[in-house]
Amino acid sequence: QQQVKQSPQSLIVQKGGISIINCAYENTAFDYFPWYQQFPGKGPALLIAIRPDVSEKKEGRFTISFNKSAKQFSLHIMDSQPGDSATYFCAAQAGDKIIFGKGTRLHILP
Amino acid sequence: GAVVSQHPSWVICKSGTSVKIECRSLDFQATTMFWYRQFPKQSLMLMATSNEGSKATYEQGVEKDKFLINHASLTLSTLTVTSAHPEDSSFYICSLIGTGGRNEQFFGPGTRLTVL
Repeated sequence: QQQVKQSPQSLIVQKGGISIINCAYENTAFDYFPWYQQFPGKGPALLIAIRPDVSEKKEGRFTISFNKSAKQFSLHIMDSQPGDSATYFCAAQAGDKIIFGKGTRLHILP
Repeated sequence: GAVVSQHPSWVICKSGTSVKIECRSLDFQATTMFWYRQFPKQSLMLMATSNEGSKATYEQGVEKDKFLINHASLTLSTLTVTSAHPEDSSFYICSLIGTGGRNEQFFGPGTRLTVL
């Protein structure tokens, strides 16, 4: 049973546009929701994270929106740049156990 | 934060041989490390949790006799793939929880294993 559902699987956005990736979770025990960015051949790197007591968190061009009642959260990348082209994973964590979404391959057109 | 290194970054071996992958915490002592496997264009799958000074905890479906984990010190965990076969070819990534009490996981750069 997939505990974290991520969509879309792939996304193409024009440079300067907004990239939006969505995730949904099932287990209400999750208390930490990080997003990871992964470039080919590299390990994932923490991008931004949120806890369920906050509805939105913004760091630079990256924003997480969190809807606790709907058990959904999303990543918004404003003014998307070619350097943002990567695979993005949402995750849900309870304690030290983390469950990843299946990933979104983002390609920003120059 | 935390800085995590892995060695080697890539390895090619013949079928039937064993391969050891090292995961090091460079800037603090980690009592717990995690090992993940990632197949091409797929997500990370947790294989096992490595605990310093005790036996690793393996996820369901992961063969503990095939994937030997040793966490002998607070800065080093090793994963040995025994009698490797082509289906073991994958990207192996370790991680640990950093300082700060937020349960953030910091990942190593990964090791690409190719079994011929």
